[in-house]
Amino acid sequence: DAGITQSPRHKVTETGTPVTLRCHQTENHRYMYWYRQDPGHGLRLIHYSYGVKDTDKGEVSDGYSVSRSKTEDFLLTLESATSSQTSVYFCAMGQLNTGELFFGEGSRLTVL
Amino acid sequence: AQSVAQPEDQVNVAEGNPLTVKCTYSVSGNPYLFWYVQYPNRGLQFLLKYITGDNLVKGSYGFEAEFNKSQTSFHLKKPSALVSDSALYFCAVRVPSGSARQLTFGSGTQLTVLP
Repeated sequence: DAGITQSPRHKVTETGTPVTLRCHQTENHRYMYWYRQDPGHGLRLIHYSYGVKDTDKGEVSDGYSVSRSKTEDFLLTLESATSSQTSVYFCAMGQLNTGELFFGEGSRLTVL
Repeated sequence: AQSVAQPEDQVNVAEGNPLTVKCTYSVSGNPYLFWYVQYPNRGLQFLLKYITGDNLVKGSYGFEAEFNKSQTSFHLKKPSALVSDSALYFCAVRVPSGSARQLTFGSGTQLTVLP
């Protein structure tokens, strides 16, 4: 988790409000990822980025959007938060060819 | 479609005893296999990986894993468990030709090492 930080670390919001989570890395990694972690499901990929302005959907992308305007920043946006999006969100960076990822410390989101 | 199964949600072991955390996988083609560990309120940390070569892979903190192609397994092992090994462990798999979305994680196994 060195070189990659997430903000905010904790957030409580209400249904229907927009939420943006930020991931910042200082390692100049090309690939960045957003996962959500839920009990019994492990980690599931929401979106990923393979370069500035280059993003693609993951397994559970509905209700989420992302943006990457700079190499170091990868933003995850919930346009209108729902209770089913209560989760712990992890950002990661890493090498596609090795699959070895480096994770941030997570952002715990509660949607009431 | 590829998948990973960690058949045990919880594994308890006494300190000093050997530990095994099980993982089986299903992919089309040769797999890349990984173990990650998550300590409370932290992100996942890479432990070890199998890409090719020797079926026994050694990783961080004294952990090792054995790739068994015939049984499609990649079990994590340690000869002598420490209380500090208590954590949540994830197995993951992808195929070499897969895109970034195709790194699939198991549901995790909570390891508790009892003093």
